[in-house]
Amino acid sequence: DAGITQSPRHKVTETGTPVTLRCHQTENHRYMYWYRQDPGHGLRLIHYSYGVKDTDKGEVSDGYSVSRSKTEDFLLTLESATSSQTSVYFCAISGNGGGETQYFGPGTRLLVL
Amino acid sequence: GQQVMQIPQYQHVQEGEDFTTYCNSSTTLSNIQWYKQRPGGHPVFLIQLVKSGEVKKQKRLTFQFGEAKKNSSLHITATQTTDVGTYFCAGLIRGGSNYKLTFGKGTLLTVNP
Repeated sequence: DAGITQSPRHKVTETGTPVTLRCHQTENHRYMYWYRQDPGHGLRLIHYSYGVKDTDKGEVSDGYSVSRSKTEDFLLTLESATSSQTSVYFCAISGNGGGETQYFGPGTRLLVL
Repeated sequence: GQQVMQIPQYQHVQEGEDFTTYCNSSTTLSNIQWYKQRPGGHPVFLIQLVKSGEVKKQKRLTFQFGEAKKNSSLHITATQTTDVGTYFCAGLIRGGSNYKLTFGKGTLLTVNP
């Protein structure tokens, strides 16, 4: 597996609290992505980054923000968590082309009560 | 928006039976990628098809890319319990100078031993 880690792996939080998920890669890949996975919806892209400080929205970006201050780290923040954001969050990376194979991290299970 | 449709959503088979999942796009794809996600795991890249009409095999798995580069299929011959999981297709769509990888919702395969 590619060198991708996600932290935390599991988190329980309360509605209205801020939450930050971290994705760390050791592959020096340019592109990084955040997806959420929910039953019946498959993988949905939240945000992605095509370089340090370069990010763009995906199809389900409302309620989420991201930051990438270093090549190896991509942070996903839920400013004020809601129960609808209970999900499994996957980080993925790909090479310089953007359309290349994506390598996924192990995922973070988030429960918002 | 541009979508990649995948059917069926679920498939249950007896061990030894064959299995096929289909992927269709309304837009011509630059390539199609297939991923497998084991229960509780993360998506793992299986293969990429690029050429019109391309067929690739990996042991009991056969992948096809349609002549019009709008559809694809994954066929598993003589399923085994190790084939259990969700199979995702992902189509690469070019928009100007950008590429976007769009995932289908996946087909969950269960195998009865």
